[in-house]
Amino acid sequence: ILNVEQSPQSLHVQEGDSTNFTCSFPSSNFYALHWYRWETAKSPEALFVMTLNGDEKKKGRISATLNTKEGYSYLYIKGSQPEDSATYLCAPTHGSGNTGKLIFGQGTTLQVKP
Amino acid sequence: NAGVTQTPKFRILKIGQSMTLQCTQDMNHNYMYWYRQDPGMGLKLIYYSVGAGITDKGEVPNGYNVSRSTTEDFPLRLELAAPSQTSVYFCATSGILASQETQYFGPGTRLLVL
Repeated sequence: ILNVEQSPQSLHVQEGDSTNFTCSFPSSNFYALHWYRWETAKSPEALFVMTLNGDEKKKGRISATLNTKEGYSYLYIKGSQPEDSATYLCAPTHGSGNTGKLIFGQGTTLQVKP
Repeated sequence: NAGVTQTPKFRILKIGQSMTLQCTQDMNHNYMYWYRQDPGMGLKLIYYSVGAGITDKGEVPNGYNVSRSTTEDFPLRLELAAPSQTSVYFCATSGILASQETQYFGPGTRLLVL
């Protein structure tokens, strides 16, 4: 069973603060790394899918980096807004079979105070 | 396009009862997945399917069964409901690139087993 760790578990920041969280995963047999944003009482929504070591993706104020050799990814939020409050999930896929099987971390819950 | 739809939205079951959670997609995606949301644990994969007629177990398959007779439908069956199956269930789909594509989630089914 893959061990996917996200830290911190929860985070409270003020509006305008920039923040970042970490996703750690086994580096062997790595295939792709997914990030999802999950608002309370809604469904998870995709942010990024990254596959290559050194990949950087950006979507508005949110960006992510990937290090496949050491098995981690960072998610950054610049100038946090209250609407950024959500749980952020990472999920790597491993192995040679292209099944799309995602193993989710427990998530980082972000609360942005106005 | 409706995307991914799930029915029912909410259900209360008695211990030992059975039910089927429905998932339908109109995105013509080959890959479909069932997840359950466990508090503080993120999402756990129950079963997945890489195409009509093909299904396989995920991380937590015990107590569940699935079938995939068409591309559009991927029902999840609970045969003997137990309190431990109280959860929110999400169905998701992805396209041909599977592991390298984002997954699209349905709105979820909230199940309470008493």
